[in-house]
Amino acid sequence: KAGVTQTPRYLIKTRGQQVTLSCSPISGHRSVSWYQQTPGQGLQFLFEYFSETQRNKGNFPGRFSGRQFSNSRSEMNVSTLELGDSALYLCASSLEGRGEKLFFGSGTQLSVL
Amino acid sequence: AQTVTQSQPEMSVQEAETVTLSCTYDTSESDYYLFWYKQPPSRQMILVIRQEAYKQQNATENRFSVNFQKAAKSFSLKISDSQLGDAAMYFCAYTTTGNQFYFGTGTSLTVIP
Repeated sequence: KAGVTQTPRYLIKTRGQQVTLSCSPISGHRSVSWYQQTPGQGLQFLFEYFSETQRNKGNFPGRFSGRQFSNSRSEMNVSTLELGDSALYLCASSLEGRGEKLFFGSGTQLSVL
Repeated sequence: AQTVTQSQPEMSVQEAETVTLSCTYDTSESDYYLFWYKQPPSRQMILVIRQEAYKQQNATENRFSVNFQKAAKSFSLKISDSQLGDAAMYFCAYTTTGNQFYFGTGTSLTVIP
């Protein structure tokens, strides 16, 4: 089985722009979660989607949004980028969520200039 | 609030020796799950071991084992016969059935040949 695939691997944007990150989960996995990883704040939960519905949301501003498609693929969007949004964005999938182990992608490294 | 604390930012171990990484957590939940993940320089988070809180028996996975002390809210990871490939950042994590993961700040493990 193919693992969790995130595209692109690297992104460079400027302040004020918006960005869309993509995540393809492991086949059969219906839960997709997103995490932001920074040296200062560590790993922080953004949101989780299950069967095209946002099931859980972390403490991030509304500029961060996401969606999940019927094939479980997920996208994350950040609008009006700020310098502080520079981070590694990790996507993870699991079968149903609910305490199962997460399988992570390699991440998208976003740099905001 | 749920928190996960890793008090050792850096650890080192001689190849073939044993090392223990510490983790404590805080929760008022009775049903939860604990994990150790490793993140090598490739950035991909890899599951090391998973423990269900209701199970008293400590989880083991080959050279990796945990010491789960529920009353003390402690969840340490023991790596036996350390190998060069074990060098990575190790994260302790906690989740409930809500599937939002809380991660510690990580312990950077160096393996000395």
